[in-house]
Amino acid sequence: QVQLQESGPRLVKPSETLSLTCTVSGGSLSNYYWSWIRQPAGKGLEWIGRIYASGNTNYNPSLNSRVTMSVDTSKKQFSLKLKSVTAADTAVYYCARGVLDYWGQGILVTVSS
Amino acid sequence: EIVLTQSPGTLSLSPGQRATLSCRASQSITGNFLAWYQQKLGQPPRLLIYGATDRASGIPDRFSGSGSGTDFTLTITRLEPEDFAVYYCLQYGSSLYTFGQGTKLEIK
Repeated sequence: QVQLQESGPRLVKPSETLSLTCTVSGGSLSNYYWSWIRQPAGKGLEWIGRIYASGNTNYNPSLNSRVTMSVDTSKKQFSLKLKSVTAADTAVYYCARGVLDYWGQGILVTVSS
Repeated sequence: EIVLTQSPGTLSLSPGQRATLSCRASQSITGNFLAWYQQKLGQPPRLLIYGATDRASGIPDRFSGSGSGTDFTLTITRLEPEDFAVYYCLQYGSSLYTFGQGTKLEIK
């Protein structure tokens, strides 16, 4: 059974960089895209971007200039960096596989000083 | 960017009734790469349907997906109490995935 787990700081100061890691267990990173999705409290889902095991990426244009994703297949991890955060970036952040068939439980990241 | 519009925003029904949820795309979705998710409060979304019509593993057969091109439907026959939740559609036919805004299915 594939499992995903998000980790990282839950509190980030405005203008700083949000950094999250997703650790995958029960399966390989190979042959799949791996995505980040976020959801502000009480609102809908926003796809942030995806990374393939080879390192190829696609980002949501609305966040493109601030987002960087990376992958470490040896550690079975992929990561998200979102720079220059504001309060509008406060959300639950999820990682997910492929056609978003497996999801992590999500991590609430708050942007506040 | 493909914009997905879900309707209705809220659907009020009783257990045992049939639910029909709509997802309309601003342009044709390549390969009918359209998925449906169910989300309950405090939980991540759960994949119900992918490829517009294929049920994900473990999903009861009262959930079905239909449609092609720009118009897609999720149908839930004989609503169970645990089906009341928020439903999202997602298109993954392009390198930019997009979600619909969601339909809340509530108990009448």
